[in-house]
Amino acid sequence: EGQLVESGGGLVQPGGSLRLSCVGSGITFSDHYMDWVRQAPGKGLEWVGRSRKKVDNYITEYAASVKGRFTISRDDSKSSLYLQMNSLNTDDTAVYYCAYAAFDLWGQGTMVTVSS
Amino acid sequence: DIQMTQSPSAMSASVGDRVTITCRASQGIRNDLAWFQQKPGKVPKRLIDGASSLESGVPSRFSGSGSGTEFTLTISSLQPEDFATYYCLQYNSYPRTFGQGTKVEIK
Repeated sequence: EGQLVESGGGLVQPGGSLRLSCVGSGITFSDHYMDWVRQAPGKGLEWVGRSRKKVDNYITEYAASVKGRFTISRDDSKSSLYLQMNSLNTDDTAVYYCAYAAFDLWGQGTMVTVSS
Repeated sequence: DIQMTQSPSAMSASVGDRVTITCRASQGIRNDLAWFQQKPGKVPKRLIDGASSLESGVPSRFSGSGSGTEFTLTISSLQPEDFATYYCLQYNSYPRTFGQGTKVEIK
């Protein structure tokens, strides 16, 4: 059975940076698009961005709220997806989920708290 | 960007009730819509894709319908394990957008 495990969350000061990782197992990672979705405490789901697969040149898409600050990348050899987050602000405080194959499978999430 | 408006934002219902949740898109999205269920402290789970295709293992009391701009998720007979928050998601265009959620609570 497939699994996604996120890591890298934590407490960071406003203006700081953080890199999240998502490792897949039991799935054909390289064959699928991968997404990041976040959920602020007590709030709804917000799509963050997507990495397409190799055949689509790993092209990425982003929500307007993170474009220019966040960068998604992947390493298919490690079945890993990354989210580099720069210039963080308090509005970025959320649980960050990675999702596989158009939201068919989700990780458990990693909490990011932006606070001074 | 396509805005997804869900209604109601919250509702109280009893076990056995028929529940309908609506999602409206700000522009036509064909049938490029999915429904998710999220229980407190849990990961979202996709219930329906392509507006009406039930995911494997999802009980048949769940159904989805609609196309274009108006979509519905129906639970034909609410069960105790169905109390949760439900989200729609459009994947017709970027950025992907979720509805704000509908919390289904016990009456």
